[in-house]
Amino acid sequence: ETGVTQSPTHLIKTRGQQVTLRCSSQSGHNTVSWYQQALGQGPQFIFQYYREEENGRGNFPPRFSGLQFPNYSSELNVNALELDDSALYLCASSAPQGADTEAFFGQGTRLTVV
Amino acid sequence: AQSVTQLDSQVPVFEEAPVELRCNYSSSVSVYLFWYVQYPNQGLQLLLKYLSGSTLVKGINGFEAEFNKSQTSFHLRKPSVHISDTAEYFCAVRNTGFQKLVFGTGTRLLVSP
Repeated sequence: ETGVTQSPTHLIKTRGQQVTLRCSSQSGHNTVSWYQQALGQGPQFIFQYYREEENGRGNFPPRFSGLQFPNYSSELNVNALELDDSALYLCASSAPQGADTEAFFGQGTRLTVV
Repeated sequence: AQSVTQLDSQVPVFEEAPVELRCNYSSSVSVYLFWYVQYPNQGLQLLLKYLSGSTLVKGINGFEAEFNKSQTSFHLRKPSVHISDTAEYFCAVRNTGFQKLVFGTGTRLLVSP
């Protein structure tokens, strides 16, 4: 059973550019959530995908968008990058919704916007 | 809406001493509670969780936490810490119907010899 993997691990982008981050969910998991963790802060919920549809969103602008594919892997896209978008982006996958559902986190992608 | 408060941003402690990391939450609905650990340059690892039942929850690496509904607290404890416990610890809450986790700002545990 493979865990949650994210790519790339690090990247540097220029303000105004667009970026795509990728996440492969753990085997058997059909729910993927994305979180942004700014330096010195706790993770903040961006959105969640369940069976290829967005089913919840945090307080992030529309330039943060996502996709989930039939194999339940996911992408996070950020347009018009701003300096404040510099953060660790974490992906978490979980099994079909239920009370005893645990979210498994990937290692994260460290995005630096210059 | 839920919120989590971790009052201590940093807790220094000597090796083999006991430690308590404090967490208080606010919610108008029933919640599940979690503690995660984050080592440098890594993702989050679940230490323990409270869903229902016994208010004392035991987790990995010798950690335990106690759910106190009247005080809306979920403090994390370990009777004897090791150098390897040095990390960032996050308390999180989610409601029973949706998997969105709301995290506190974290507590850095610094264990010295």
